[in-house]
Amino acid sequence: NAGVTQTPKFRILKIGQSMTLQCTQDMNHNYMYWYRQDPGMGLKLIYYSVGAGITDKGEVPNGYNVSRSTTEDFPLRLELAAPSQTSVYFCASRPGQALDTQYFGPGTRLTVL
Amino acid sequence: GQNIDQPTEMTATEGAIVQINCTYQTSGFNGLFWYQQHAAEAPTFLSYNVLDGLEEKGRFSSFLSRSKGYSYLLLKELQMKDSASYLCAVSGSSNTGKLIFGQGTTLQVKP
Repeated sequence: NAGVTQTPKFRILKIGQSMTLQCTQDMNHNYMYWYRQDPGMGLKLIYYSVGAGITDKGEVPNGYNVSRSTTEDFPLRLELAAPSQTSVYFCASRPGQALDTQYFGPGTRLTVL
Repeated sequence: GQNIDQPTEMTATEGAIVQINCTYQTSGFNGLFWYQQHAAEAPTFLSYNVLDGLEEKGRFSSFLSRSKGYSYLLLKELQMKDSASYLCAVSGSSNTGKLIFGQGTTLQVKP
């Protein structure tokens, strides 16, 4: 199993550009999550999904959108990039039992200039 | 509101024992998780506590007191590779599995 994979690893955007951060898991996990981590800080939840076709907002959803058309994929869309979105983005998945831990992808480091 | 507090930084000596504390105030509680995160890497799971008491896993132990909203991670026989950030996270709901993270404690192990 590859686990949770994320692409790209690094990206530099100009203000106002858009992009999609890709996340794929091959563990057949129902639950998937998107977090952002600013320097020296913990992780903040952006969006999450409890299964294909179901998504919901986390703590910091503004400026982002998600979709979950398949169990495997959970892309995160930035429509109008802003400098405040400069961060490291982590995708995670979880099987779905009550005390299952989340498994994290390697992250995407995004800089908006 | 929901809040999780950890010390920002700690320093310890190789071979020693260090305790990283975490206090939390959340609207629900379904378990407390500890993750290790090396610089520029993804968090990796260390331990979780649901009931009060101590859970031991090799050199790492984690303690929980739900009545006090308090947990700690104990690292024994410190090694240089233990230099990393340690993240405390609370699960408030078993339905969604959402985690609320503290800011993390950066541990530096010195020779």
